[in-house]
Amino acid sequence: KQEVTQIPAALSVPEGENLVLNCSFTDSAIYNLQWFRQDPGKGLTSLLLIQSSQREQTSGRLNASLDKSSGRSTLYIAASQPGDSATYLCAVRPRETSGSRLTFGEGTQLTVNP
Amino acid sequence: DTEVTQTPKHLVMGMTNKKSLKCEQHMGHRAMYWYKQKAKKPPELMFVYSYEKLSINESVPSRFSPECPNSSLLNLHLHALQPEDSALYLCASSQWTQETQYFGPGTRLLVL
Repeated sequence: KQEVTQIPAALSVPEGENLVLNCSFTDSAIYNLQWFRQDPGKGLTSLLLIQSSQREQTSGRLNASLDKSSGRSTLYIAASQPGDSATYLCAVRPRETSGSRLTFGEGTQLTVNP
Repeated sequence: DTEVTQTPKHLVMGMTNKKSLKCEQHMGHRAMYWYKQKAKKPPELMFVYSYEKLSINESVPSRFSPECPNSSLLNLHLHALQPEDSALYLCASSQWTQETQYFGPGTRLLVL
């Protein structure tokens, strides 16, 4: 059974810092991995999706990497801003035929202080 | 347009009530999902529809009844819920079942 772990559970940083969020998964037979952000009481916003054949994806100040063999992904946020404060979730999608079931981590709650 | 809409935003219902949650997308996506999310926990998959047919039911109690009337619309019918069913209910859609999922803002449900 796939298990996804995110470390740290919570992170508080001053504005302007570069930071790294970590995601690890136990079964490397994945189809892809997706990073989301969620603001309190809101839905999830997709940030980046990395296919299993890819090593990284970039969008603006965000860079996500994937090392499938070691079961790890990182989300790098450059020059953090207060507006980045949210919970960040990673989710893996299995390689099985249906591929519908996302397994989520518990999330990292990020606070960026002005 | 990458928007998934959900109505209502908030819902309070008694344990004997019948209500429905609605989800809509106009992105031409062929897969739609219902998730349940409790506070400070990740979303839990409930149902998956692929091409308007139910493809996954994650052993959800029958008091939750999904319906997909057409490719743009997904409903979740609620009947005889329990207080522990109070949660944020999220709808999502994707082009195919293995592609990026786009989430709606959710319906905050409180069962009294």
